[in-house]
Amino acid sequence: DTGVSQNPRHKITKRGQNVTFRCDPISEHNRLYWYRQTLGQGPEFLTYFQNEAQLEKSRLLSDRFSAERPKGSFSTLEIQRTEQGDSAMYLCASSPSVQETQYFGPGTRLLVL
Amino acid sequence: QQQVKQSPQSLIVQKGGISIINCAYENTAFDYFPWYQQFPGKGPALLIAIRPDVSEKKEGRFTISFNKSAKQFSLHIMDSQPGDSATYFCAACNMLTFGGGTRLMVKP
Repeated sequence: DTGVSQNPRHKITKRGQNVTFRCDPISEHNRLYWYRQTLGQGPEFLTYFQNEAQLEKSRLLSDRFSAERPKGSFSTLEIQRTEQGDSAMYLCASSPSVQETQYFGPGTRLLVL
Repeated sequence: QQQVKQSPQSLIVQKGGISIINCAYENTAFDYFPWYQQFPGKGPALLIAIRPDVSEKKEGRFTISFNKSAKQFSLHIMDSQPGDSATYFCAACNMLTFGGGTRLMVKP
């Protein structure tokens, strides 16, 4: 199965710690998206990349959130100084172009204690 | 600001029945309307999608009806099965704006 993969699948951290999540998109997809999903809600768009360029980041939730895709392949999402309100599922999706279907990974579930 | 409103929040249907989920959007610039199915602990998976140049699209038991003038679209699941029990999300555009989700339970 060559779908979108995300690691880790689960992360428990203490408030104030930094966390980093990784997303490996489908190999031929040049667009990569990050979303956050809280319990009982739909996914909320955070940011996206076309190849290595981050084309939209104004919807990142705060300056504690940052994302990179240095070589246009995998991406990382970092949350600095985590807060309890950051507890959520972080989803990654990829697509071959802006007009195509987004394929989601299984998500990383973050719990901030 | 919630740009895509989805209803109902939860739905219980008997096996073999029709499940209907509705969505309304505000931004007339939206040009792509997918529906996603999500099982607990999994990421959303595309079910079916439509563009505003057609009023209906059918794939197997799943049908999207689209009303551009009313800015509404709906998902119909025919012959609903217990395996369809999941959360369904409508979405719009490509930096997807999701609805709040509908938790569907199909009773045997």
